[in-house]
Amino acid sequence: NFMLTQPHSVSESPGKTVTISCTRSSGSIASNYVQWYQQRPGSSPTIVIYEDKQRPSGVPDRFSGSIDSSSNSASLTISGLKTEDEADYYCQSYDNNIFWVFGGGTKLTVL
Amino acid sequence: EVQLVESGGGLVQPGGSLKLSCAASGFAFSGSTMHWVRQASGKGLEWVGRIRNRANTHATAYAASLEGRFTISRDDSQNTAYLQMNSLKIEDTAVYYCTSGNTIASDSWGQGTLVTVSS
Repeated sequence: NFMLTQPHSVSESPGKTVTISCTRSSGSIASNYVQWYQQRPGSSPTIVIYEDKQRPSGVPDRFSGSIDSSSNSASLTISGLKTEDEADYYCQSYDNNIFWVFGGGTKLTVL
Repeated sequence: EVQLVESGGGLVQPGGSLKLSCAASGFAFSGSTMHWVRQASGKGLEWVGRIRNRANTHATAYAASLEGRFTISRDDSQNTAYLQMNSLKIEDTAVYYCTSGNTIASDSWGQGTLVTVSS
């Protein structure tokens, strides 16, 4: 199985833009879709991006996803940061169309 | 409204067994793939395994680290998924979430149930 590596934490000010990376250790990032989940303190995770860049209904368009084959990574970008965006964010992909792999999570602080 | 409600968590001794349930409502349960994901206190998400829908023969898959100790099943007539956990270890202590979706992603998560393995 491959691993997904995320920065442990990022911080940014309200109104600014932040990008969280998710680097795949082996195999192409483009070979399997990447999802992103948001987990606010004390709550269950919710999906914010699926299939690399698709946004579920109800997720603000301030959230966007992309992949970059040159760095073999996926990214979650949040623009116009709000204090309510403060949460842990996890990337997730899968291996052999069966086994899920989660990144270690990134704590976003909006200060 | 989609709802997933886990139950069955609690305190169990090392080596013991526990069966978690996940009651689903508000969506086409029988057509969905159900996953279990766990999270130890202060740690990240860890995929436990999944069970596909009837059209895909209820195929199951599990994280290799579980070493065959866990079994996922479902009862489509009851809109319920299950996680049978045997030979529990202290490191299995975590909040266990059930999630619904497909083989690629989960679009809904339950509130989780806490499993504590301790003597």
